[in-house]
Amino acid sequence: QVQLVESGGGVVQPGGSLRLSCAASGFTFSRYGMNWVRQAPGKGLESVAFIRYDGTNSYYADSVKGRFTISRDNSKNTVYLQINSPRGEDTAVYYCAKDFHPLVVVPGTLDIWGQGTLVTVSS
Amino acid sequence: QSALTQPASVSGSPGQSITISCTGSASDIGGYDYVSWYRQYPGNGPKLMIFDVSDRPSGVSARFSGSKSGNTASLTISGLQAEDEADYYCSSYTSSGTLVVFGGGTKLTVL
Repeated sequence: QVQLVESGGGVVQPGGSLRLSCAASGFTFSRYGMNWVRQAPGKGLESVAFIRYDGTNSYYADSVKGRFTISRDNSKNTVYLQINSPRGEDTAVYYCAKDFHPLVVVPGTLDIWGQGTLVTVSS
Repeated sequence: QSALTQPASVSGSPGQSITISCTGSASDIGGYDYVSWYRQYPGNGPKLMIFDVSDRPSGVSARFSGSKSGNTASLTISGLQAEDEADYYCSSYTSSGTLVVFGGGTKLTVL
C-alpha cells in the first residue's frame, strides 16, 4: 500500500546538523511533489519545505530558509531534509507528505502522510 | 499566529452535526478552490478528509462535507460519532507564498 516512513530524528545540539529521510513505497514516487511539515509540541501544523517531482525546484518557509535543505533521490524513492544550525524553535515532529496531484510545480493537497519523526534541539 | 483562523474547540453529541470554520483572505481561501481539511488523532500523522473545498478522497465517509463562502471555508460532520473526536486542520493554497498555509487547528470533542 501507499506508505511514507520517516527516520533520522533525535536530539541535536543548537548549531549542529541532522538529516531526516522519508522512504516512499506503493506509488510512482518520481511523479509527485513532496513536502516536509512540522508540528511543535502541542501546536499546529507548519509547512517548512516542498520539492518538485523532478527535484528541479524547491520552496521553504521563511523560518527555515538558509538553514534547511530539501532534496530527493528518485532512484531510491526517498526525500530528505537537511537541518543545519537548528534552534530551539525547530523542536517538533517532522512529517513528510505526498502531493495529491501528480506533476504539480507548487504544493496543494497533501494526501499521504508519514507517522513523523521527532527532532529535539537541546544542549 | 497561523495564516488561517479556526476556532480552538468545538463539541457536539453523538448523532448531531457540527461545523468547523476556517477564515483566511482573498490571497488564499477567497481566491482559490484549493482548500483541504485534515483529521489528526493524538500521536498520529494527519489524514486527508476533504480536498478542493468539497471533494472527498476515496474511503472517507459521506458524513464529512466541505464548503466555502468568500474567505471562509467550512467542514461539516453529520451524524457525529465517538471516533470523530480528534483535531481538525484546514489548509489552502496561497498566492503570497509557495507553501500551503494551515489553520491553527480545532479540537473536536464528542460529548
